[in-house]
Amino acid sequence: DQQVKQNSPSLSVQEGRISILNCDYTNSMFDYFLWYKKYPAEGPTFLISISSIKDKNEDGRFTVFLNKSAKHLSLHIVPSQPGDSAVYFCALRGRSQGNLIFGKGTKLSVKP
Amino acid sequence: NAGVTQTPKFRVLKTGQSMTLLCAQDMNHEYMYWYRQDPGMGLRLIHYSVGEGTTAKGEVPDGYNVSRLKKQNFLLGLESAAPSQTSVYFCASRLTTGARTSTDTQYFGPGTRLTVL
Repeated sequence: DQQVKQNSPSLSVQEGRISILNCDYTNSMFDYFLWYKKYPAEGPTFLISISSIKDKNEDGRFTVFLNKSAKHLSLHIVPSQPGDSAVYFCALRGRSQGNLIFGKGTKLSVKP
Repeated sequence: NAGVTQTPKFRVLKTGQSMTLLCAQDMNHEYMYWYRQDPGMGLRLIHYSVGEGTTAKGEVPDGYNVSRLKKQNFLLGLESAAPSQTSVYFCASRLTTGARTSTDTQYFGPGTRLTVL
């Protein structure tokens, strides 16, 4: 059974508007929650993370929110730019070994 | 710093052939990982290593072997390739200081696209 779910395979947003990407998880055995961004023909690159003891982390245009009671993670991008068009993976880091479990990804398209 | 590099970038194999994928990192990272990514799927962990001379199984280890003879290199081997192993393979490395911080994260290579006919 999937431990990490990204239920939206794709999202299309107008340039300048907010992009909201969502991720749900099923158990609490994670200490950090991460977002990776992936362009075609490249490896994923780390974008932003949040500790399990926080509920918000902000870095420029990117903000990650963690709702532990709902087991829900979201990434907000404001304002969205065409260069943000990529696949976004949420990844959860296990408390023991620190291995990552990835969601299936959401393909974001930002239209000019 | 080149970061994490992978060789080759592309490869086509016939069923039953063997090959080795090479991952190299120049960041002096302790941990290294091999993942596969299939269409519509996230990255799934094949094997990983927490240091030179050590390896461990991940989520989908069957059909693969790995070796970490040098700290900077992590090899992924397919002894008898099958069409189900057609995938994009990513290597990653991680420093890990033991103090779990937000910077203790994984850095990925560009990937190897493997097709098994």
